[in-house]
Amino acid sequence: QSVLTQPPSVSAAPGQRVTISCSGTSSNIGNNYVSWYQQLPGTAPKLLIYDDDDRPSGIPDRFSGSKSGTSATLDITGLQTGDEADYYCGTWDSSVTSGGVFGTGTRVTVL
Amino acid sequence: QVQLQQWGTGLLKPSEALSLTCAVSGGSFTDYYWTWIRQPPGKGLEWIGYVDGRGVSKYNTTLKSRVAISLDASRSHFSLDLYSVTAADTAVYFCARGRKYSSSSRWRYYFDSWGQGTLVSVSS
Repeated sequence: QSVLTQPPSVSAAPGQRVTISCSGTSSNIGNNYVSWYQQLPGTAPKLLIYDDDDRPSGIPDRFSGSKSGTSATLDITGLQTGDEADYYCGTWDSSVTSGGVFGTGTRVTVL
Repeated sequence: QVQLQQWGTGLLKPSEALSLTCAVSGGSFTDYYWTWIRQPPGKGLEWIGYVDGRGVSKYNTTLKSRVAISLDASRSHFSLDLYSVTAADTAVYFCARGRKYSSSSRWRYYFDSWGQGTLVSVSS
């Protein structure tokens, strides 16, 4: 089950900025690092951000991550039509039922 | 550049066992956490579990009684077995390479390479 909460959808015009939130608890986001994934339609997810705010090589700096307390945020600036996708946050949950956890997912629409 | 290629049975009847395999090429096997993740149609991602490079496994507690993830390092592949499937197990199943380590008591766990996904449908 998803234990991290994301908004179902966000939208903006090309060139604009969108922000996606990811809310958790002290057992997951509050004390562990967050990653973000982009899933284009019909494809496997792709790593966008790891360790809260680091980008793998090849990921443009239009994508940035941050974290404060038990919430994390993914920012996409200079929005492009190719950014239309589902975005998921993920982390480790250190509670008694420890394991990997994902967010509920956010659909980004470019208007 | 690591590549993950997965395969397995796509159509099952209730109570049967799901079996998927993921072959890894182009990278080390021992330093990673080889993970299975699934996605029901139109829904979000669900972590199933992993096997580490030593062969030690950890599972989602909601699936723990029905799941087994194993490693065959000699053939550079890892496998998922899910027993007694029901329609609720219908999903696209992904294998992924996980990186997991701690620093200052905080865990890093993320997936930097993924398989292409396999749709598994359970129907009578």
